[in-house]
Amino acid sequence: EADIYQTPRYLVIGTGKKITLECSQTMGHDKMYWYQQDPGMELHLIHYSYGVNSTEKGDLSSESTVSRIRTEHFPLTLESARPSHTSQYLCASSVKWRETQYFGPGTRLLVL
Amino acid sequence: AQSVTQPDIHITVSEGASLELRCNYSYGATPYLFWYVQSPGQGLQLLLKYFSGDTLVQGIKGFEAEFKRSQSSFNLRKPSVHWSDAAEYFCAVGSDRGSTLGRLYFGRGTQLTVWP
Repeated sequence: EADIYQTPRYLVIGTGKKITLECSQTMGHDKMYWYQQDPGMELHLIHYSYGVNSTEKGDLSSESTVSRIRTEHFPLTLESARPSHTSQYLCASSVKWRETQYFGPGTRLLVL
Repeated sequence: AQSVTQPDIHITVSEGASLELRCNYSYGATPYLFWYVQSPGQGLQLLLKYFSGDTLVQGIKGFEAEFKRSQSSFNLRKPSVHWSDAAEYFCAVGSDRGSTLGRLYFGRGTQLTVWP
């Protein structure tokens, strides 16, 4: 069983606020990912990281930013939340490419 | 470009009946493939994966999937469904080349409802 955690699990926030979604894993995985999930749609990769101090944008344009200062931690930040950011955000990690990605429980974000 | 199609948005089966969830992929090389399951309010849990070798792979909870290269398919099956199998199921194809190395491409999911 994978140990990957996300906080908060649910967040309701007003437009214009800055928010940070936390993701931590205790498996020592180098690769970490953020996906956005909307009902009835594919999961879309928005950010990923090869390792410490390495981050890349994914396939879906996102106004969020990420950082990877420690192996186990991969937070996602929205500088100014908007209603269009309302979605579920899933964090995942893997040992290396071509290996299973393990997912956290997700953060469900509602921006009013 | 890599893509995954899950033709069935919603499937309803009776408990004890057999199940097959369809997945078709588009990928220019030998794919590696996954099936994940998501229960309400949860993240995705891996059911099974195919990287190479035997084209019939066994997973957790009694699920299996068969890779058919000629049909670009990776359908998920279970001989007898339990009420606890009600969830959303996602098929994904992984890329192992170029700028998309390590990425997973997901289908839109199939929602499974199980009647008692």
